[in-house]
Amino acid sequence: DQQVKQNSPSLSVQEGRISILNCDYTNSMFDYFLWYKKYPAEGPTFLISISSIKDKNEDGRFTVFLNKSAKHLSLHIVPSQPGDSAVYFCAAETSYDKVIFGPGTSLSVIP
Amino acid sequence: EAQVTQNPRYLITVTGKKLTVTCSQNMNHEYMSWYRQDPGLGLRQIYYSMNVEVTDKGDVPEGYKVSRKEKRNFPLILESPSPNQTSLYFCASKSGRDSPLHFGNGTRLTVT
Repeated sequence: DQQVKQNSPSLSVQEGRISILNCDYTNSMFDYFLWYKKYPAEGPTFLISISSIKDKNEDGRFTVFLNKSAKHLSLHIVPSQPGDSAVYFCAAETSYDKVIFGPGTSLSVIP
Repeated sequence: EAQVTQNPRYLITVTGKKLTVTCSQNMNHEYMSWYRQDPGLGLRQIYYSMNVEVTDKGDVPEGYKVSRKEKRNFPLILESPSPNQTSLYFCASKSGRDSPLHFGNGTRLTVT
């Protein structure tokens, strides 16, 4: 039973448009959420995070939105660039030791 | 440069032959963890360590062992590898609560 779900295995977006990646979670004890980006043959790298006391966090072209009542978060990338093409993992943390990852969404940004 | 280093990057072995994947970090992080990545399943935690000599099971610990004798090193041991352990393995570390994980570049293991 996956506690962190990313229901879209893949997503294609035109360069310059907005990319929206979605993530749902089931455990109400999660209180810290992160997005990681992964290129082939490399380890995941941290992108952006949000605490459960906030509903939005922005860093340049990347914004994460959190809707606690719906147990849903989303990552917005505006504008999308070809270099953003990668696999994006949503992750949720309950405590110091437990970090649960979703299955990932493969984003393709088409020039 | 701050980094997590895993070795080897690629490993092909046969069923039952013991192997060790090494992991070292130079950031003085207390927390270290091992994950495996499989298609459609994302990253699943195998074992983690919150400090030297302190280790605990993650979600998929069966068939694996770890040790944490020094702060910087966290090797993953497969005493008797089986084909279902064929996977992409990542070591990661972080400095504390509500901080991001730093990942190594991965070890692709094939067990025949």
